[in-house]
Amino acid sequence: AQKITQTQPGMFVQEKEAVTLDCTYDTSDPSYGLFWYKQPSSGEMIFLIYQGSYDQQNATEGRYSLNFQKARKSANLVISASQLGDSAMYFCAMREGISSGYALNFGKGTSLLVTP
Amino acid sequence: NAGVTQTPKFQVLKTGQSMTLQCAQDMNHEYMSWYRQDPGMGLRLIHYSVGAGITDQGEVPNGYNVSRSTTEDFPLRLLSAAPSQTSVYFCASSPLAGVLELYFGPGTRLTVT
Repeated sequence: AQKITQTQPGMFVQEKEAVTLDCTYDTSDPSYGLFWYKQPSSGEMIFLIYQGSYDQQNATEGRYSLNFQKARKSANLVISASQLGDSAMYFCAMREGISSGYALNFGKGTSLLVTP
Repeated sequence: NAGVTQTPKFQVLKTGQSMTLQCAQDMNHEYMSWYRQDPGMGLRLIHYSVGAGITDQGEVPNGYNVSRSTTEDFPLRLLSAAPSQTSVYFCASSPLAGVLELYFGPGTRLTVT
């Protein structure tokens, strides 16, 4: 079964607008971490933000915030004030504990295009 | 720190050839892993290691071997290349405490003809 689901293959947003990229996850492990990575056209994987399963507050890193709804098993990424340089693939990922070998499981990604 | 390094950046192989993709990290991370990325599939785990001398299979291990003789190095061996192994390969490492953020290498683009 898919552990991470990203239902939006592609998204468009206008510069300076906010955009939400959806992510839902599936786990029975009480301890897990949720990550978002950005992959620009150059190909490197860039870590954006992390949320631990026991964290009470939603994570924020600059213009990125993670809307963590534990009961719904969702971890949506919100990018505020989009910039042209935000155009990229975005991957949601989940890391469980030792029982899963610490594997980081990725979703299939969302392609974001920021337009002027 | 160089972080995670991978060589080569690009490689073309013929079907049936073997080769080794190199990966090294200088952050003293216990955990190292190999992923492959194919269009529309996200990143899929091939093999991983939680320390020197310890390796295990991920989601798509067939056709690949790994070994971990040192903390720093984690080579990925393709035993007999097949066109289905055409992909971009990423090596990644992390500590096994704290946030567990995975640090990625720049990737190797492999084409098997």
